[in-house]
Amino acid sequence: AQSVTQLGSHVSVSEGALVLLRCNYSSSVPPYLFWYVQYPNQGLQLLLKYTTGATLVKGINGFEAEFKKSETSFHLTKPSAHMSDAAEYFCAVSEGKNTGFQKLVFGTGTRLLVSP
Amino acid sequence: GAGVSQSPSNKVTEKGKDVELRCDPISGHTALYWYRQSLGQGLEFLIYFQGNSAPDKSGLPSDRFSAERTGGSVSTLTIQRTQQEDSAVYLCASSPNSRVQQETQYFGPGTRLLVL
Repeated sequence: AQSVTQLGSHVSVSEGALVLLRCNYSSSVPPYLFWYVQYPNQGLQLLLKYTTGATLVKGINGFEAEFKKSETSFHLTKPSAHMSDAAEYFCAVSEGKNTGFQKLVFGTGTRLLVSP
Repeated sequence: GAGVSQSPSNKVTEKGKDVELRCDPISGHTALYWYRQSLGQGLEFLIYFQGNSAPDKSGLPSDRFSAERTGGSVSTLTIQRTQQEDSAVYLCASSPNSRVQQETQYFGPGTRLLVL
């Protein structure tokens, strides 16, 4: 079965600093990878996804992620943090190819704290 | 257009009572998913529907949990004889077609269930 590991349950940065949220996956087949963001008391919102093609994926709100097959990683970055980026971020892999339908397997999440 | 909606947004119940959680997917989406988000377990897949059928129910935690979908639209997740460990946020998502592995799942705001 596929799985996702997010290192660091909490990451703290200063406003304007680089944001780096780590995600590693395990998959026996080429994966589809997703990053979702969850603001307090809200559902999950898609930030970006990797399917095929270009390994550097750009998403909303200035976020991007790079798929590195050799490292089985899909880390999320943003050059300059903003206070509004404070939220919980989830990395997910689609387990569909082994099940016949798209089932998302999520990491445990990383809470991003942004200080002034 | 309208996103995924869920009701109620919050539900407090007593142990042993039954509860029903409702999900209205995005119009036209044939696939509907239920996930549970709890402190101890993170985000867990529960069940999905393609149209009105649920081919895979293996994610349901126990036989106290059931779900149905009618008219290819609204879905209801029912928990019978609720237990305190059922306390969690129940998230619903929809996508145009569950068999397209790289599709985005659109999430509702969730129902926060507290079992006393």
